[in-house]
Formats: sequence, C-alpha cells, structure tokens
Amino acid sequence: ELKVEQNPLFLSMQEGKNYTIYCNYSTTSDRLYWYRQDPGKSLESLFVLLSNGAVKQEGRLMASLDTKARLSTLHITAAVHDLSATYFCAVDKGHNNNDMRFGAGTRLTVKP
Amino acid sequence: EAEVAQSPRYKITEKSQAVAFWCDPISGHATLYWYRQILGQGPELLVQFQDESVVDDSQLPKDRFSAERLKGVDSTLKIQPAELGDSAMYLCASRSGTASSFFGPGTRLTVL
Repeated sequence: ELKVEQNPLFLSMQEGKNYTIYCNYSTTSDRLYWYRQDPGKSLESLFVLLSNGAVKQEGRLMASLDTKARLSTLHITAAVHDLSATYFCAVDKGHNNNDMRFGAGTRLTVKP
Repeated sequence: EAEVAQSPRYKITEKSQAVAFWCDPISGHATLYWYRQILGQGPELLVQFQDESVVDDSQLPKDRFSAERLKGVDSTLKIQPAELGDSAMYLCASRSGTASSFFGPGTRLTVL
C-alpha cells in the first residue's frame, strides 16, 4: 500500500527565515504534487513534479523530486506571513493508475 | 477559468439521516475523485472514477456510502445512514491525465 509521510507536521518560523518540508513515499512513483490549503478552504495546486531530478520554483517556494530516494522537498526561502497555510504532498500510485494519495500535511505558521 | 463545482457547501444533518453531495468536474476531465478530509488531516480517497467507471473504491465504506457518475460527467456521493463520525469536509477533484488535480470548494458535513 502506498504511504506518504510528511515532516514536520507543524512548523512555526519567523519571517525572513528559510526552511524545508520533507515528503517521503513508500512505493515506486515518479509523479508527485504539492498543494496548499488555507483554513476552511479547498486545495490549491502548487507544483507538479513528473521526473527524477525535477525542480520547480514559484516565488519563495521551490520543490524538488528524487525518485530514487522516494523523497520530495518543498523549500521556503525568506518566509513571509502570506505563506502561512497547510502544505500537502501527494503521490500517484503510478503504473497508469491515477490514484492520488496525500500526506498528512505540514501546518506552517510564519510569524513577524 | 474552469472550476470544479460542488453543492451544497454546508450540510447539517442528524445521525441516521441520508445525505447526498453533488460534484460537477471541469469539462473534459475523465478522472474524478471524492475525498474525505477530517480536520487536521490530509484528504483520504473514497472513490475514483475514470469516465463512468469506478477505478478504486477500496476505502469507501460500502455499507453506508455510495457513489455514481452515470454519464461520466457529474457525480453524486451519498451517505445513508449518516453517523457522527462522518462529520468532515468532502472534497471532489477532477483531473486530466497526469496533470495536477483541481479541487472543488468542498462540502462541510456536520452530523448531530
């Protein structure tokens, strides 16, 4: 069974600091997705990583994928308050199966 | 911009009653998912459709939950009878190929 683990689950950081969120998954897959969720809202797609070594950047967020290590990272650079949200990674089971499984999420709070 | 529509947005019901949720995916998206998200957790897949066919319903509590997508477009998720533990956000998402999933606004269910 595909398992997706994120850490940390809770992250409190100061504005201007850098930090990395980690996402590990248990079975072979080369399709990984990052989403953002604001309180009481639905999920918003951030990044799609479709191959080993893929790196995507948008503003202060950068995501990477290492399929051999079954690891993706979401790096936050010079955090600002607007980045406060819960971040989820999700993985396809692969093998032409679009069954997407989510991690438990990392609740990020950026303090001034 | 195309969006996934869901209704109702909020539903309060008493245990043992029946409830139904509706989802209209983005036009042309063959894959449709229903997820349940308990507060503070990641989305949990309930059922996945490819066009009108169920691809994965292994996590759907079939004694009380049912889902259909008769014409391969919109979908309905039903719970009968509802239990207290069913209180959660029910999210519908649609997808084309291996692209990221687009999520609807969700239906927040409260069972009293």
